[in-house]
Amino acid sequence: NAGVMQNPRHLVRRRGQEARLRCSPMKGHSHVYWYRQLPEEGLKFMVYLQKENIIDESGMPKERFSAEFPKEGPSILRIQQVVRGDSAAYFCASSRTSGAVSDTQYFGPGTRLTVL
Amino acid sequence: DQQVKQNSPSLSVQEGRISILNCDYTNSMFDYFLWYKKYPAEGPTFLISISSIKDKNEDGRFTVFLNKSAKHLSLHIVPSQPGDSAVYFCAASAGDSNYQLIWGAGTKLIIKP
Repeated sequence: NAGVMQNPRHLVRRRGQEARLRCSPMKGHSHVYWYRQLPEEGLKFMVYLQKENIIDESGMPKERFSAEFPKEGPSILRIQQVVRGDSAAYFCASSRTSGAVSDTQYFGPGTRLTVL
Repeated sequence: DQQVKQNSPSLSVQEGRISILNCDYTNSMFDYFLWYKKYPAEGPTFLISISSIKDKNEDGRFTVFLNKSAKHLSLHIVPSQPGDSAVYFCAASAGDSNYQLIWGAGTKLIIKP
């Protein structure tokens, strides 16, 4: 039973390019969460999605960032026109049911984005 | 505004002894607390959690204590094993947005042989 998968594991982009991060939730999980971790800090919530719906994007910057979780395929976090401050580790988590915190979030290994 | 604080960036403990990791929070609305463990180049792994209606939860070698009046929780690992060496994160959530985990900065635990 595969866990949460993220790819790529490492991504290098130059300023102004687009970064596209993918997340495949655990089998049977339909709730996906994206977090960002800056160096020496804890994870910060960005967005919560269910299939074809964004439930809460309050932690995501309003410009340049977008997320989707289509009916088929992985969830995508897209960062347009990346800047150096976007360099961070981006983690995806999934859970089975309604997003209650008692429903454990299982994390992927993360994508480490470096912006040159 | 750090709502969840882990004031010790690192902690070194002898194998076989007790490891105690601490976490303080400021938001009195937090009603659920979790500990995650993270190895390098991996995602966080859920360890143990506690609801605010309890003051203790135990799972094998891991026990979490919650002191609501002090807004403090701690994770006890006994006995500590070499495989426990990792970064430990405390996280909390509140109310309706209970899927939004608010994380501390982590404590790196090193178990010495």
